[in-house]
Amino acid sequence: DADVTQTPRNRITKTGKRIMLECSQTKGHDRMYWYRQDPGLGLRLIYYSFDVKDINKGEISDGYSVSRQAQAKFSLSLESAIPNQTALYFCATSKGGYETQYFGPGTRLLVL
Amino acid sequence: QKEVEQDPGPLSVPEGAIVSLNCTYSNSAFQYFMWYRQYSRKGPELLMYTYSSGNKEDGRFTAQVDKSSKYISLFIRDSQPSDSATYLCAMSSRSNDYKLSFGAGTTVTVRA
Repeated sequence: DADVTQTPRNRITKTGKRIMLECSQTKGHDRMYWYRQDPGLGLRLIYYSFDVKDINKGEISDGYSVSRQAQAKFSLSLESAIPNQTALYFCATSKGGYETQYFGPGTRLLVL
Repeated sequence: QKEVEQDPGPLSVPEGAIVSLNCTYSNSAFQYFMWYRQYSRKGPELLMYTYSSGNKEDGRFTAQVDKSSKYISLFIRDSQPSDSATYLCAMSSRSNDYKLSFGAGTTVTVRA
């Protein structure tokens, strides 16, 4: 089984809808991250969490919110989806004090 | 100006050629340097890791870091069609809690 899983893998939604992307990990890592990937822009950090009670904004947090339900679960919500949130979304994990991050398989989101 | 610059390519080479990829960066605090490989419709996976300046070799892959020039490189020798992927450079520092800053990624195609 994969160490970092994301659901759903693909999602099509309409403008204005609220959607949630979920991430689970079995690596036992305390840190979790949400990124979006757009062509030519690489990976950009949306939110990150260093433990269950710690949530921090990344460089592009507007229009997004997160919830860390447990050490192993980190969800990303789009409160009111808009077309320019169409992107590939990745969850990643790392162990505190270590720089290497491990990525999930991604969620491909299309907002119509 | 982006903190990490990477030519997005695309780069197309014949099988057996040497692939040369590079990134430049502006933040002199970066200490940890990574290369991730991302196959189509997959999440990034760590390929090479280097701490501070110097070279690191792993099979057909060599990573180089020149902190004085703020320049990192990845070389792939005897390239194979299975090396066709997007390669992302990433870097971090302890002062920034090891959060990763990514380049845009270079798409490489190795022709059989």
